[in-house]
Amino acid sequence: DTEVTQTPKHLVMGMTNKKSLKCEQHMGHRAMYWYKQKAKKPPELMFVYSYEKLSINESVPSRFSPECPNSSLLNLHLHALQPEDSALYLCASSQDPRDSFYEQYFGPGTRLTVT
Amino acid sequence: GENVEQHPSTLSVQEGDSAVIKCTYSDSASNYFPWYKQELGKRPQLIIDIRSNVGEKKDQRIAVTLNKTAKHFSLHITETQPEDSAVYFCAAVNTDKLIFGTGTRLQVFP
Repeated sequence: DTEVTQTPKHLVMGMTNKKSLKCEQHMGHRAMYWYKQKAKKPPELMFVYSYEKLSINESVPSRFSPECPNSSLLNLHLHALQPEDSALYLCASSQDPRDSFYEQYFGPGTRLTVT
Repeated sequence: GENVEQHPSTLSVQEGDSAVIKCTYSDSASNYFPWYKQELGKRPQLIIDIRSNVGEKKDQRIAVTLNKTAKHFSLHITETQPEDSAVYFCAAVNTDKLIFGTGTRLQVFP
């Protein structure tokens, strides 16, 4: 299984809602990532988990809260978002965070709309 | 931190022609340079990559060259086909971080 899956595919939420994005991989990868991608822009790194511990937070606002319950799962909890947070949220994984040469496999993304 | 510049932002070619996309990076510690293709509404997918100890790599119609001294690398696609139409992102990897270039929208006309 060489796939990263994400749910839901689409999400519409109000600014007062709380929701979660989910990501799963069964490739035995020990690094997992969250990216945000706005239209016609490159993916922008948000968080990196290395061996289930948060290793990089790219100064992301606290309304985004990541969680890595185990080595296969990655969640992104959303609370009190703003309309400008509307974007495609991509999850990725790679084999070994200690080695930068490993390919990052991307999930299909969750398209988030904040109303 | 690392900064990756990519040119051109759009590129239109006739089917069968070659396409070249160029990137420059700023951090000499970056040691891995993947190229991703993203079709409309789909996930980025790796098409080729190169490590800092290699100057050139080829995979069928796709090749990548790296000039570490000048800190630039390029993607070459030969004999382009309509299915090559997509957005292409170069990237540089420094430790855990994958830093993307701004992207090139390639259109291949039949």
